[in-house]
Amino acid sequence: EPEVTQTPSHQVTQMGQEVILRCVPISNHLYFYWYRQILGQKVEFLVSFYNNEISEKSEIFDDQFSVERPDGSNFTLKIRSTKLEDSAMYFCASSAGGGNEKLFFGSGTQLSVL
Amino acid sequence: AQKVTQAQTEISVVEKEDVTLDCVYETRDTTYYLFWYKQPPSGELVFLIRRNSFDEQNEISGRYSWNFQKSTSSFNFTITASQVVDSAVYFCALSGAHYGGSQGNLIFGKGTKLSVKP
Repeated sequence: EPEVTQTPSHQVTQMGQEVILRCVPISNHLYFYWYRQILGQKVEFLVSFYNNEISEKSEIFDDQFSVERPDGSNFTLKIRSTKLEDSAMYFCASSAGGGNEKLFFGSGTQLSVL
Repeated sequence: AQKVTQAQTEISVVEKEDVTLDCVYETRDTTYYLFWYKQPPSGELVFLIRRNSFDEQNEISGRYSWNFQKSTSSFNFTITASQVVDSAVYFCALSGAHYGGSQGNLIFGKGTKLSVKP
Protein backbone atom coordinates (compact mmCIF):
# COMPACT_ATOMS: atom_id res chain seq x y z
CA GLU A 1 0.00 0.00 0.00
CA PRO A 2 1.29 3.50 -0.77
CA GLU A 3 2.54 5.43 2.23
CA VAL A 4 3.30 8.91 3.45
CA THR A 5 6.98 9.40 4.22
CA GLN A 6 8.30 11.80 6.85
CA THR A 7 11.86 12.89 7.51
CA PRO A 8 13.62 13.04 9.84
CA SER A 9 12.13 10.60 12.31
CA HIS A 10 13.73 12.53 15.17
CA GLN A 11 14.81 16.16 15.32
CA VAL A 12 16.50 17.86 18.23
CA THR A 13 16.86 21.61 18.20
CA GLN A 14 17.66 24.50 20.48
CA MET A 15 14.95 26.92 21.53
CA GLY A 16 14.70 29.81 19.10
CA GLN A 17 16.03 27.86 16.15
CA GLU A 18 14.11 27.27 12.95
CA VAL A 19 13.15 23.74 11.98
CA ILE A 20 11.70 22.30 8.81
CA LEU A 21 9.86 19.02 8.92
CA ARG A 22 9.53 17.24 5.63
CA CYS A 23 6.87 15.00 4.19
CA VAL A 24 6.30 13.22 0.92
CA PRO A 25 2.56 12.61 0.58
CA ILE A 26 1.09 9.86 -1.54
CA SER A 27 1.65 10.85 -5.14
CA ASN A 28 -1.90 11.20 -6.44
CA HIS A 29 -3.30 12.82 -3.31
CA LEU A 30 -4.52 16.39 -3.40
CA TYR A 31 -5.05 17.30 0.24
CA PHE A 32 -2.28 17.59 2.80
CA TYR A 33 -2.29 18.04 6.55
CA TRP A 34 -0.13 18.48 9.57
CA TYR A 35 -1.13 17.23 12.99
CA ARG A 36 0.81 17.11 16.21
CA GLN A 37 0.71 14.99 19.35
CA ILE A 38 2.29 16.19 22.54
CA LEU A 39 3.56 13.24 24.54
CA GLY A 40 0.70 11.31 26.10
CA GLN A 41 -1.94 13.64 24.75
CA LYS A 42 -4.40 13.59 21.90
CA VAL A 43 -3.62 14.22 18.28
CA GLU A 44 -4.34 17.84 17.30
CA PHE A 45 -5.05 19.31 13.90
CA LEU A 46 -2.69 22.06 12.77
CA VAL A 47 -3.36 22.86 9.13
CA SER A 48 -4.81 21.58 5.89
CA PHE A 49 -3.49 22.49 2.45
CA TYR A 50 -5.10 22.19 -0.95
CA ASN A 51 -4.45 23.68 -4.35
CA ASN A 52 -1.28 25.36 -3.10
CA GLU A 53 -2.89 27.23 -0.27
CA ILE A 54 -3.98 26.75 3.30
CA SER A 55 -7.62 25.69 3.41
CA GLU A 56 -7.99 25.57 7.18
CA LYS A 57 -5.83 26.05 10.24
CA SER A 58 -6.24 25.70 13.98
CA GLU A 59 -5.46 28.16 16.75
CA ILE A 60 -2.18 26.34 17.32
CA PHE A 61 -0.99 27.27 13.84
CA ASP A 62 0.15 30.81 14.60
CA ASP A 63 2.58 33.07 12.77
CA GLN A 64 5.51 30.92 13.85
CA PHE A 65 4.27 28.14 11.61
CA SER A 66 4.19 27.95 7.84
CA VAL A 67 3.66 25.26 5.26
CA GLU A 68 4.88 24.92 1.74
CA ARG A 69 4.73 22.59 -1.17
CA PRO A 70 7.97 23.59 -2.86
CA ASP A 71 7.72 21.06 -5.66
CA GLY A 72 5.39 18.36 -6.88
CA SER A 73 6.27 15.86 -4.19
CA ASN A 74 7.29 17.49 -0.90
CA PHE A 75 5.16 19.14 1.75
CA THR A 76 6.97 20.95 4.54
CA LEU A 77 6.16 22.41 7.92
CA LYS A 78 8.41 25.20 9.15
CA ILE A 79 8.56 26.45 12.70
CA ARG A 80 10.31 29.78 12.60
CA SER A 81 11.50 30.14 16.19
CA THR A 82 10.92 27.02 18.22
CA LYS A 83 9.68 27.07 21.79
CA LEU A 84 9.91 24.37 24.42
CA GLU A 85 6.19 23.72 24.07
CA ASP A 86 6.64 22.88 20.39
CA SER A 87 8.16 19.57 21.46
CA ALA A 88 5.80 16.95 20.07
CA MET A 89 5.35 14.26 17.46
CA TYR A 90 4.37 15.90 14.19
CA PHE A 91 2.34 13.85 11.75
CA CYS A 92 1.88 14.58 8.10
CA ALA A 93 -1.17 13.17 6.34
CA SER A 94 -2.62 13.19 2.87
CA SER A 95 -5.86 12.21 1.25
CA ALA A 96 -7.33 11.90 -2.19
CA GLY A 97 -10.18 14.10 -1.07
CA GLY A 98 -13.73 14.06 -2.30
CA GLY A 99 -16.32 11.74 -0.92
CA ASN A 100 -14.02 8.80 -0.41
CA GLU A 101 -12.12 10.32 2.44
CA LYS A 102 -9.41 8.46 4.23
CA LEU A 103 -6.37 10.09 5.75
CA PHE A 104 -3.07 8.34 5.35
CA PHE A 105 -0.65 9.34 8.09
CA GLY A 106 3.11 9.22 8.05
CA SER A 107 5.12 7.71 10.90
CA GLY A 108 5.76 11.12 12.38
CA THR A 109 8.73 13.29 13.28
CA GLN A 110 9.54 13.52 16.97
CA LEU A 111 10.64 17.11 17.61
CA SER A 112 12.50 17.85 20.81
CA VAL A 113 13.17 21.49 21.64
CA LEU A 114 15.85 21.99 24.30
CA ALA B 1 -18.19 23.12 19.19
CA GLN B 2 -17.05 19.68 18.18
CA LYS B 3 -15.75 17.30 20.78
CA VAL B 4 -14.85 13.65 21.11
CA THR B 5 -14.77 11.90 24.47
CA GLN B 6 -13.08 8.60 25.11
CA ALA B 7 -13.76 8.05 28.77
CA GLN B 8 -11.62 4.92 29.07
CA THR B 9 -8.01 5.97 29.45
CA GLU B 10 -6.59 2.46 29.72
CA ILE B 11 -8.02 -1.01 29.36
CA SER B 12 -6.24 -4.25 30.08
CA VAL B 13 -7.59 -7.60 28.95
CA VAL B 14 -6.34 -11.12 28.58
CA GLU B 15 -5.96 -12.58 25.13
CA LYS B 16 -9.17 -13.94 23.58
CA GLU B 17 -11.38 -11.66 25.63
CA ASP B 18 -13.75 -9.32 23.84
CA VAL B 19 -13.27 -5.63 24.51
CA THR B 20 -15.30 -2.55 23.67
CA LEU B 21 -13.81 0.91 23.36
CA ASP B 22 -16.27 3.72 23.91
CA CYS B 23 -16.52 6.94 21.94
CA VAL B 24 -19.02 9.74 22.46
CA TYR B 25 -19.06 12.79 20.24
CA GLU B 26 -20.60 16.24 20.12
CA THR B 27 -21.30 18.22 17.00
CA ARG B 28 -23.83 20.67 15.62
CA ASP B 29 -23.19 19.56 12.04
CA THR B 30 -25.94 17.50 10.45
CA THR B 31 -23.40 15.88 8.18
CA TYR B 32 -20.27 14.60 9.82
CA TYR B 33 -17.82 11.74 9.73
CA LEU B 34 -16.51 9.47 12.44
CA PHE B 35 -13.22 7.60 12.39
CA TRP B 36 -11.19 5.16 14.38
CA TYR B 37 -7.41 5.12 14.17
CA LYS B 38 -4.95 2.73 15.79
CA GLN B 39 -1.58 3.87 17.09
CA PRO B 40 0.66 0.87 17.79
CA PRO B 41 3.82 1.23 19.91
CA SER B 42 5.77 2.10 16.76
CA GLY B 43 3.86 5.41 16.69
CA GLU B 44 2.19 5.64 13.32
CA LEU B 45 -1.54 6.25 12.95
CA VAL B 46 -3.37 3.49 11.14
CA PHE B 47 -6.80 4.10 9.67
CA LEU B 48 -9.42 1.56 10.74
CA ILE B 49 -12.80 2.89 9.68
CA ARG B 50 -14.72 5.93 8.46
CA ARG B 51 -18.44 6.29 8.91
CA ASN B 52 -20.70 9.13 7.74
CA SER B 53 -23.58 10.42 9.79
CA PHE B 54 -26.23 9.13 7.42
CA ASP B 55 -25.10 5.56 7.65
CA GLU B 56 -26.05 4.02 10.97
CA GLN B 57 -25.53 0.49 9.81
CA ASN B 58 -23.11 -1.35 12.03
CA GLU B 59 -20.01 -2.68 10.40
CA ILE B 60 -17.96 -5.79 10.94
CA SER B 61 -14.49 -6.38 9.60
CA GLY B 62 -12.99 -9.62 10.81
CA ARG B 63 -12.60 -9.38 14.57
CA TYR B 64 -13.47 -5.67 14.54
CA SER B 65 -16.97 -4.27 14.72
CA TRP B 66 -18.37 -0.80 15.14
CA ASN B 67 -21.67 0.27 16.65
CA PHE B 68 -22.84 3.72 15.55
CA GLN B 69 -25.82 5.12 17.45
CA LYS B 70 -26.88 8.66 16.58
CA SER B 71 -29.46 8.70 19.37
CA THR B 72 -26.70 8.49 21.96
CA SER B 73 -23.98 10.17 19.84
CA SER B 74 -21.78 7.15 20.23
CA PHE B 75 -19.49 5.23 17.92
CA ASN B 76 -18.14 2.28 19.88
CA PHE B 77 -15.52 -0.15 18.70
CA THR B 78 -15.43 -3.82 19.70
CA ILE B 79 -12.56 -6.23 19.25
CA THR B 80 -13.63 -9.85 19.46
CA ALA B 81 -11.19 -12.48 20.67
CA SER B 82 -8.46 -9.93 21.30
CA GLN B 83 -4.84 -10.71 20.47
CA VAL B 84 -1.56 -9.36 21.79
CA VAL B 85 -1.04 -7.56 18.48
CA ASP B 86 -4.15 -5.49 19.21
CA SER B 87 -2.23 -3.71 21.96
CA ALA B 88 -2.18 -0.06 20.94
CA VAL B 89 -3.74 3.30 21.58
CA TYR B 90 -7.03 3.67 19.77
CA PHE B 91 -8.32 7.08 18.79
CA CYS B 92 -11.83 8.03 17.85
CA ALA B 93 -12.12 11.15 15.67
CA LEU B 94 -14.79 13.43 14.27
CA SER B 95 -14.86 15.61 11.19
CA GLY B 96 -17.45 18.02 9.92
CA ALA B 97 -18.47 18.22 6.29
CA HIS B 98 -16.99 21.13 4.41
CA TYR B 99 -18.54 22.10 1.11
CA GLY B 100 -16.35 21.30 -1.83
CA GLY B 101 -13.40 20.18 0.22
CA SER B 102 -11.80 17.51 2.24
CA GLN B 103 -13.03 16.51 5.64
CA GLY B 104 -9.53 16.25 6.90
CA ASN B 105 -9.45 18.45 9.96
CA LEU B 106 -10.19 15.74 12.45
CA ILE B 107 -11.02 16.28 16.08
CA PHE B 108 -9.46 13.43 18.01
CA GLY B 109 -10.40 12.01 21.36
CA LYS B 110 -7.67 11.50 23.95
CA GLY B 111 -7.36 7.86 23.04
CA THR B 112 -7.76 4.57 24.89
CA LYS B 113 -4.67 2.53 25.57
CA LEU B 114 -5.47 -1.14 25.15
CA SER B 115 -3.13 -3.75 26.59
CA VAL B 116 -3.79 -7.33 25.65
CA LYS B 117 -1.87 -9.78 27.81
CA PRO B 118 -1.09 -13.33 26.75
